[in-house]
Amino acid sequence: DAKTTQPPSMDCAEGRAANLPCNHSTISGNEYVYWYRQIHSQGPQYIIHGLKNNETNEMASLIITEDRKSSTLILPHATLRDTAVYYCIVRSPKTSYDKVIFGPGTSLSVIP
Amino acid sequence: DTAVSQTPKYLVTQMGNDKSIKCEQNLGHDTMYWYKQDSKKFLKIMFSYNNKELIINETVPNRFSPKSPDKAHLNLHINSLELGDSAVYFCASSHGGGGETQYFGPGTRLLVL
Repeated sequence: DAKTTQPPSMDCAEGRAANLPCNHSTISGNEYVYWYRQIHSQGPQYIIHGLKNNETNEMASLIITEDRKSSTLILPHATLRDTAVYYCIVRSPKTSYDKVIFGPGTSLSVIP
Repeated sequence: DTAVSQTPKYLVTQMGNDKSIKCEQNLGHDTMYWYKQDSKKFLKIMFSYNNKELIINETVPNRFSPKSPDKAHLNLHINSLELGDSAVYFCASSHGGGGETQYFGPGTRLLVL
């Protein structure tokens, strides 16, 4: 089973910020939080990752709580092309490979 | 310009057949992976291959065998296909193993009849 939990689906109005939550209460000290997304019929695409500090890149921002038990992916101005399934996973260089599982994720629908 | 490519994109075959899926990456990465995405959309790692070192998910049946002719290619061979093998198979690559960012191919949709 995945080590993270996410809401199964969310809607967001086009142009508004999309805030996607993820719980990872069993995260260990050396595990990073990674976010990927999968647009229909395509392979997963890397978005962002972080350890404990908030991170921002050209695609999104990642806010990690101080206790690291949850995080939020923020798409600041959602577009229709952001409609996809978003996966939150935790892993470290020492993660046993059979533990790397992308759960069902959050299906984000950006509405015009 | 495709970073990670897979062939074929679709594969329809009969139970009991043997088939292969090919994967190539032009990113210069030294680690490649195979994932299986089932009908419930869970994406689970099957294999990791780094500098000819194979790390296997032990839950994967031994009918599945990865073959890496060189660092840029990791093919997946499946013997005696079963109905339950129907899924989408994704190849990925990364620079190094472990926690590094992975880049995924477009997937191969396998349907076993």
